Amino acid sequence: DGGITQSPKYLFRKEGQNVTLSCEQNLNHDAMYWYRQDPGQGLRLIYYSQIVNDFQKGDIAEGYSVSREKKESFPLTVTSAQKNPTAFYLCASSIGTGTSISDTQYFGPGTRLTVL
Amino acid sequence: AQKVTQAQTEISVVEKEDVTLDCVYETRDTTYYLFWYKQPPSGELVFLIRRNSFDEQNEISGRYSWNFQKSTSSFNFTITASQVVDSAVYFCARNTGGFKTIFGAGTRLFVKA
Repeated sequence: DGGITQSPKYLFRKEGQNVTLSCEQNLNHDAMYWYRQDPGQGLRLIYYSQIVNDFQKGDIAEGYSVSREKKESFPLTVTSAQKNPTAFYLCASSIGTGTSISDTQYFGPGTRLTVL
Repeated sequence: AQKVTQAQTEISVVEKEDVTLDCVYETRDTTYYLFWYKQPPSGELVFLIRRNSFDEQNEISGRYSWNFQKSTSSFNFTITASQVVDSAVYFCARNTGGFKTIFGAGTRLFVKA
């Protein structure tokens, strides 16, 4: 079955620690995205990648880092510089055509990060 | 900023009632795409529909229907004969191009048995 997997489902972190959230897709999509969702709010874009070895900052990239070494993988690291990291993190992918304006994004099940 | 507004924060209905979720968007673009997603309690966003700005025909899929009106910049979603399994948060979104999508804040729908 094609889809997007995220791990772990729940993650607990102590203040000052870096943590890495995993995102893998087998949809053969070029574009991948990371979003943050806070209670009662919509999704905010952290980073996106149009193609392997390339990624761009989204609206709230400070305190986060990503890599895109393989087409199917787009891990997100939440660094200690992120002041309020407790949130629900969603990974998505899309075909990645042209400017992507017609692309549909497909989402993974999410990772809930809690800072203790 | 070109926003997507979902004015209804929460809606509560009794099973079998019809319910309409409102979505109003702002855009200066001629070409754009609109989307609805469902987020059940499990958390994953499930894609429901995509419409482009040149197609104003209403769409029906089972109990779901969508009304797109460019004149009022609205893309409303109606669930007919709601069921408990429809309980979720529903997001309206618009692609701006450049790999950016603007999401509304979501409407939480409670369907009571």
